[in-house]
Amino acid sequence: DVKVTQSSRYLVKRTGEKVFLECVQDMDHENMFWYRQDPGLGLRLIYFSYDVKMKEKGDIPEGYSVSREKKERFSLILESASTNQTSMYLCASSFNSPNEKLFFGSGTQLSVL
Amino acid sequence: EDKVVQSPLSLVVHEGDTVTLNCSYEVTNFRSLLWYKQEKKAPTFLFMLTSSGIEKKSGRLSSILDKKELFSILNITATQTGDSAIYLCAVEAYGGFKTIFGAGTRLFVKA
Repeated sequence: DVKVTQSSRYLVKRTGEKVFLECVQDMDHENMFWYRQDPGLGLRLIYFSYDVKMKEKGDIPEGYSVSREKKERFSLILESASTNQTSMYLCASSFNSPNEKLFFGSGTQLSVL
Repeated sequence: EDKVVQSPLSLVVHEGDTVTLNCSYEVTNFRSLLWYKQEKKAPTFLFMLTSSGIEKKSGRLSSILDKKELFSILNITATQTGDSAIYLCAVEAYGGFKTIFGAGTRLFVKA
């Protein structure tokens, strides 16, 4: 089975802190994604990557950056966390071919105080 | 602007009931529609639909797509408490890695 692992299930940070969310997948997927999930808004794409060192902005990239130094690992960085970044963050991965479904990690619930 | 709208947003039923979840979309360059089930945290894949009128079925769950009317339904028959979850509808478009998600339908099945 494909496994997408997010390093933390719950995180509590203070405003202004730098936050790293890590995601690792074990299926050699080319594509990796970071979403945030908020009630009533569904999943919104923050950034995605289709190859090592490649990244593309999603719909809501402001306040976030990403890093993909190795194929299996995709990191989401909040340079200076703010309270409006309190959310559930979901990582996903997929093969780079048409009609490929996403495999999701278990999510990280981030609270910024 | 591309959008995916799910209804209802939440639903409470009794075990044994049959439910229908709705998903309508307005997406340029539609490629496929997917349904996911999210129980605790990680959404898991249920169905992918690309052609109109062809029902996909898995046990008590089934889904169908209407590309003319731009909607899909997910049916669950003889619901069980284990069906309690958020059901997400997503549409993939050609021309990139764009997947647009709906807000989800939260289903609660009472014993």
